[in-house]
Amino acid sequence: QQQVKQSPQSLIVQKGGISIINCAYENTAFDYFPWYQQFPGKGPALLIAIRPDVSEKKEGRFTISFNKSAKQFSLHIMDSQPGDSATYFCAAAGTGKLIFGQGTTLQVKP
Amino acid sequence: DAEITQSPRHKITETGRQVTLACHQTWNHNNMFWYRQDLGHGLRLIHYSYGVHDTNKGEVSDGYSVSRSNTEDLPLTLESAASSQTSVYFCASSEKQGSTEAFFGQGTRLTVV
Repeated sequence: QQQVKQSPQSLIVQKGGISIINCAYENTAFDYFPWYQQFPGKGPALLIAIRPDVSEKKEGRFTISFNKSAKQFSLHIMDSQPGDSATYFCAAAGTGKLIFGQGTTLQVKP
Repeated sequence: DAEITQSPRHKITETGRQVTLACHQTWNHNNMFWYRQDLGHGLRLIHYSYGVHDTNKGEVSDGYSVSRSNTEDLPLTLESAASSQTSVYFCASSEKQGSTEAFFGQGTRLTVV
């Protein structure tokens, strides 16, 4: 079964707009929720991560919002830029192994 | 600089052949992982290891095996390659068993014909 569900599968945003990607998880033992960014031909790289003791974490234009009771978390990319065009994966971990969502392909149009 | 490298980057093999994909990391990380990436499925965990001589099955382990004889390497073996195993394979490592950042290799694109 899919322990981490991610939506949407693809997203097109105009430059300067807000990109929002959502994830839901099932296992309440998860205690680490990262987002990874992947460019074509490259391996995923950590973008930003949050632990369940906080509801929001912001790093530059990237923000994670976390709702523990709903078992949901989301990535917000403010002032989206063409250079943000990539595939984004949410993930969850409880014992060190990461379980990933299905991925979202983001295209930011100039 | 510490890094994680995968080889080969691309491989074409025939159905039924045994194939081994290499993964080497120089961070001295205890944890190592193998994932496969397929469109619509994201990254799915194949096998993982928390240290030397430790190996565990992930969610899609059938047809794959790993061994961990040292800290630096976790080779992934396809015992008898099948067309369903055509995919991009990623190796990753992280520092300790607690949930921390995982570092990924560049990936190996495997085609089984």
